[in-house]
Amino acid sequence: EVQLVQSGAEVKKPGDSLKISCEGSGYIFPGYWIAWVRQMPGKGLEWMGIIYPRDSDTRYSPSFQGQVTISADKSISTAYLQWSSLRASDTAMYYCARLGTSESGYYNMDVWGKGTTVTVSS
Amino acid sequence: QSVLTQPPSVSAAPGQKVTISCSGSNSNIGNNYVSWYQQLPGTAPKLLIYDNHKRPSGIPDRFSGSKSGTSATLGITGLQTGDEADYYCGTWDSSLSWVFGGGTKVTVL
Repeated sequence: EVQLVQSGAEVKKPGDSLKISCEGSGYIFPGYWIAWVRQMPGKGLEWMGIIYPRDSDTRYSPSFQGQVTISADKSISTAYLQWSSLRASDTAMYYCARLGTSESGYYNMDVWGKGTTVTVSS
Repeated sequence: QSVLTQPPSVSAAPGQKVTISCSGSNSNIGNNYVSWYQQLPGTAPKLLIYDNHKRPSGIPDRFSGSKSGTSATLGITGLQTGDEADYYCGTWDSSLSWVFGGGTKVTVL
């Protein structure tokens, strides 16, 4: 079964650092892009960026460039999203998703993790 | 404000049909395939439609997708209470970013 398993909920204080993870299984992890998606409370989905684990090629949404770091360790089939200094406005659910390729050669987010809740509060 | 525009909500009685529009531009929908995602309350999104109109295995044919120009449409027929969810369209943009619509809440009356 193809699945993405995300790390557990986090409660942090403003200024703290944080790294959350997304472990893939049931498929060849290095060969598929992994996306990170933010969902703030009561709001819609926001694409943060993607990483190709095979060579760690990374692309960021302009909205998140410089705010977070996306990385991956293909040896353990895991992608990461990290913050160096959290803010209250980072409180959200964070999903990872696999970018599968259809028969037409186009990408779509075909497998999703269950999400990691990040709460930042003093 | 999302790059792709969806109505905030749609509703219909059980058994009826709803359609959800997703409006973009030539920099996104006009030159790329669209996918749709269903997010049931308290759960992660799930791929519902890809390549404008194709359904992944296990998705009932009550769900359909289409695209014309810079707009896409998701249709749900034979509406069921279990279809109550938020629905999002998504596609690539020429800025090399993935873009989502703002989401549409489907309510079964």
